[in-house]
Amino acid sequence: QKEVEQNSGPLSVPEGAIASLNCTYSDRGSQSFFWYRQYSGKSPELIMSIYSNGDKEDGRFTAQLNKASQYVSLLIRDSQPSDSATYLCAVKRRDDKIIFGKGTRLHILP
Amino acid sequence: DTAVSQTPKYLVTQMGNDKSIKCEQNLGHDTMYWYKQDSKKFLKIMFSYNNKELIINETVPNRFSPKSPDKAHLNLHINSLELGDSAVYFCASSQVPLRRSSYNEQFFGPGTRLTVL
Repeated sequence: QKEVEQNSGPLSVPEGAIASLNCTYSDRGSQSFFWYRQYSGKSPELIMSIYSNGDKEDGRFTAQLNKASQYVSLLIRDSQPSDSATYLCAVKRRDDKIIFGKGTRLHILP
Repeated sequence: DTAVSQTPKYLVTQMGNDKSIKCEQNLGHDTMYWYKQDSKKFLKIMFSYNNKELIINETVPNRFSPKSPDKAHLNLHINSLELGDSAVYFCASSQVPLRRSSYNEQFFGPGTRLTVL
């Protein structure tokens, strides 16, 4: 099993709809979880971090964490064309190393 | 003002050469990192420094040598460049080191695209 796994996509979502991005991780002792957005040719940009089970909302973004299922997700409400990017899930393992997933390409259809 | 800056943005060089990439952050962070993103966009940590001290050293060929003259700077020197070194190298910083806190939001520089011919 890969340490941090994401569907590579592309995930195509109509403008205005909810985009749902998923990530699973293998280290059960992981404590910190991050979502980064990366536009083509640009650097990763942190958009959400989550540390405890449940939901965390910030504007149109909601991160969801379920440690029992080793699952973290990112929901983007009212998707905009500017949300089209690759979304990287990052997990800080119990040994304090941060592992990135390979990212999910999101394409918002105008 | 640029928070994390890297130079150069592009670097094209021949196999066997030695090159350096520089990184500076003006965020007042204690911890800096080097990441490599390959052609498949996989982002992998190489090194981490906290206040000039090396704290993470992943399985990276010893041709790669980081140097931190002060906590605001972390440079990467690469000896005897190989074709497989072609990638985008990102510098990043965070307020606290990974081992000290859960709150390790990292801020990335713009990247240096290295092409080895």
